[in-house]
Amino acid sequence: QKEVEQNSGPLSVPEGAIASLNCTYSDRGSQSFFWYRQYSGKSPELIMSIYSNGDKEDGRFTAQLNKASQYVSLLIRDSQPSDSATYLCAVNINNDMRFGAGTRLTVKP
Amino acid sequence: DAGVIQSPRHEVTEMGQEVTLRCKPISGHNSLFWYRQTMMRGLELLIYFNNNVPIDDSGMPEDRFSAKMPNASFSTLKIQPSEPRDSAVYFCASSLNGANEKLFFGSGTQLSVL
Repeated sequence: QKEVEQNSGPLSVPEGAIASLNCTYSDRGSQSFFWYRQYSGKSPELIMSIYSNGDKEDGRFTAQLNKASQYVSLLIRDSQPSDSATYLCAVNINNDMRFGAGTRLTVKP
Repeated sequence: DAGVIQSPRHEVTEMGQEVTLRCKPISGHNSLFWYRQTMMRGLELLIYFNNNVPIDDSGMPEDRFSAKMPNASFSTLKIQPSEPRDSAVYFCASSLNGANEKLFFGSGTQLSVL
């Protein structure tokens, strides 16, 4: 089992829709979880961090964490074409920051 | 702050040559990470330093790869000898303290080994 797994997509949604991105992780002891966005040819940049079970909202973005199920997700509401990018899930596993393979999202106008 | 600075941005070399990638982390950050990104394998952690000390180098592919952090403001990743399969984008990232904090990434070095 990979340490951090994401549905690789690609995921395509129409403008204005909700995009849902999912991630599972292997280490039950992990405490820190992150979502990064990476535009083509650019470096990853942080969108959200989450440390406690439940939801965390920041503008159009909501991160959801369920430690019992070892599952973290990112919802993007009112998706815009500018949200088209690869979204990387990252988990602190044994003090190493491990990344999933990423989900490529395309928002169609 | 200028952010994490990597050099060079692009490197093209021939198989067998030595390659040195450089990174300057954000001032005040205690942790530095080297990653390699390819289409096939995604973003792989190569090595992680905390307070200039290598904490985990289990991701370093083989003896051809070595990394150093002689002081808090500079790190190098060296490949000797380089091979075509080393072609990838190499990212350096830093954080205030470890993997519980946000990582700030440099612009990356696009390495092509011919």
